[in-house]
Amino acid sequence: GAVVSQHPSRVICKSGTSVKIECRSLDFQATTMFWYRQFPKQSLMLMATSNEGSKATYEQGVEKDKFLINHASLTLSTLTVTSAHPEDSSFYICSFQGAQGEKLFFGSGTQLSVL
Amino acid sequence: SQQGEEDPQALSIQEGENATMNCSYKTSINNLQWYRQNSGRGLVHLILIRSNEREKHSGRLRVTLDTSKKSSSLLITASRAADTASYFCATDAAGGGNKLTFGTGTQLKVEL
Repeated sequence: GAVVSQHPSRVICKSGTSVKIECRSLDFQATTMFWYRQFPKQSLMLMATSNEGSKATYEQGVEKDKFLINHASLTLSTLTVTSAHPEDSSFYICSFQGAQGEKLFFGSGTQLSVL
Repeated sequence: SQQGEEDPQALSIQEGENATMNCSYKTSINNLQWYRQNSGRGLVHLILIRSNEREKHSGRLRVTLDTSKKSSSLLITASRAADTASYFCATDAAGGGNKLTFGTGTQLKVEL
């Protein structure tokens, strides 16, 4: 299957700082990437759909000014959590669709802890 | 919302036993997929079943789909300790633009 590299795997930051998470597809050109958020022992909640070269589409209730998504190329999408607060602490996972546009390939996730 | 409900939420079995997880959803779908997640990691795709299919096999996995009941089941036969993980169903809603909506997940623990 396709390989997705996501980093950092874990980040601890102070409240008010910004954190950037990178997601790269290593062997596939992904026109569409998805960003999910997951709280402990809960399901994945879709935050936004990132399309290469255009603005991301955010799900209802997700603040676009707080969670900045940039899909700069067919192999790289970044999520920046701006002015992070403790309630933003969560597990963030990126993914992209395979060639048939059905199944998803996931990064290994980033555990964000905001103090 | 379309989010699927899975049951049981948690399942603990002995190695060698079979594990069955169920998923229910709310709207029409193009396909339903099952994913596995080890603790603190990303998800790994296990199997996809299309809306016109009723059953599918992959190794020790067997998936069924009943679109009339809007439900699916995942059976893992002859479980191993390495199968310990969380399992999620995900639905690709008809007309949903290929976005997947994940179920609430089942935490499976396989004990030696």
